[in-house]
Amino acid sequence: AQTVTQSQPEMSVQEAETVTLSCTYDTSESDYYLFWYKQPPSRQMILVIRQEAYKQQNATENRFSVNFQKAAKSFSLKISDSQLGDAAMYFCAYRRMDSNYQLIWGAGTKLIIKP
Amino acid sequence: EAGVVQSPRYKIIEKKQPVAFWCNPISGHNTLYWYRQNLGQGPELLIRYENEEAVDDSQLPKDRFSAERLKGVDSTLKIQPAELGDSAVYLCASKLSLGLAFNEQFFGPGTRLTVL
Repeated sequence: AQTVTQSQPEMSVQEAETVTLSCTYDTSESDYYLFWYKQPPSRQMILVIRQEAYKQQNATENRFSVNFQKAAKSFSLKISDSQLGDAAMYFCAYRRMDSNYQLIWGAGTKLIIKP
Repeated sequence: EAGVVQSPRYKIIEKKQPVAFWCNPISGHNTLYWYRQNLGQGPELLIRYENEEAVDDSQLPKDRFSAERLKGVDSTLKIQPAELGDSAVYLCASKLSLGLAFNEQFFGPGTRLTVL
């Protein structure tokens, strides 16, 4: 069975600095998606970034980028130039390529931004 | 365009009482999900609908939980009777499922249920 592990319950970073959130996963599949979701205190889950396992190039979205290490089954999120609005719970998630397959979620990392 | 709408946003009930949550997905989205999210955890899928058909309800506690999506649009999730352990945030999400292409799930703000 697939699993997703986020080993950092909480992280803090100074505003304008860079922070990296860790995620590891376990799967026997070769093709799959990985995601980072953000859940601010208002609770609406938002997709931050996704990575297709068959792509070697790491995904980037503005200040958000990932370090995808397929062999190590590692998928970390880097947030550059941290802003107060980045404060939220961040969840790592996995899904097989089959669109009917459900998302497997990590337990989340609470990111605190210090002004 | 309106996002996924859920109501109520908050609900406090006594144990053994019934409760219902409502979700209106994004217009045109054929796939609808109900999740339960306990404090400090990621969401747990309860049920997935493709149009009006429940295609994955293996994690729905069927002795007390029920759901419906009669016309393939909005959906209701019900708990009867509620137990203390049902206190959680109930999230609804929807997406447009088209073949093998990736389509993003969009989440509603959730309903926070407190059972006393």
